[in-house]
Amino acid sequence: KQEVTQIPAALSVPEGENLVLNCSFTDSAIYNLQWFRQDPGKGLTSLLLIQSSQREQTSGRLNASLDKSSGRSTLYIAASQPGDSATYLCAGNTGGFKTIFGAGTRLFVKA
Amino acid sequence: EPEVTQTPSHQVTQMGQEVILRCVPISNHLYFYWYRQILGQKVEFLVSFYNNEISEKSEIFDDQFSVERPDGSNFTLKIRSTKLEDSAMYFCASSGIGLAGKTGELFFGEGSRLTVL
Repeated sequence: KQEVTQIPAALSVPEGENLVLNCSFTDSAIYNLQWFRQDPGKGLTSLLLIQSSQREQTSGRLNASLDKSSGRSTLYIAASQPGDSATYLCAGNTGGFKTIFGAGTRLFVKA
Repeated sequence: EPEVTQTPSHQVTQMGQEVILRCVPISNHLYFYWYRQILGQKVEFLVSFYNNEISEKSEIFDDQFSVERPDGSNFTLKIRSTKLEDSAMYFCASSGIGLAGKTGELFFGEGSRLTVL
């Protein structure tokens, strides 16, 4: 049974800092892993999707990596901005129809 | 940019009543999902729908719940005899076909907040 864990649960950084959010999963037979952003009371916005055959994906200041052997994914945010403040969720799919979510990392970027 | 739309954004109902949450998935997507998020908890999978039938469902999705695609665009979640613990944000999602014919990237709507009194 796939379980997804995110560390840290919350993070506060000054503006401009580079940061890394961590995600671990128990089932290495992962098909894809997706990172989302969730603002308070809002829906989930897809940030990056990494397929099992890929090691990383980049979009603007975001870079996500996937290491199936260690069961880990990281989301790197470069030059953080106050507008990046949100909850970041990672979610893994093992090839079926169900995607399992982590509890998220609440990020606060101070101006 | 194509998006998943959900209505209503917020619904308040009395315990025991039936509610229907509506979703319009992205038009060329083939897989449709409902997830829910109880306040302060993880996003949980409820059900997936493909080719006009349920393809997978979680333990949460019991006889109280049903899904339907009544026409070519809408996808609905019906909750019968609502209970206090059904209060949550319900998210609809859709995806196209990914690699090897499996589900692709998930796109979510803004959610429908259900409050059961």
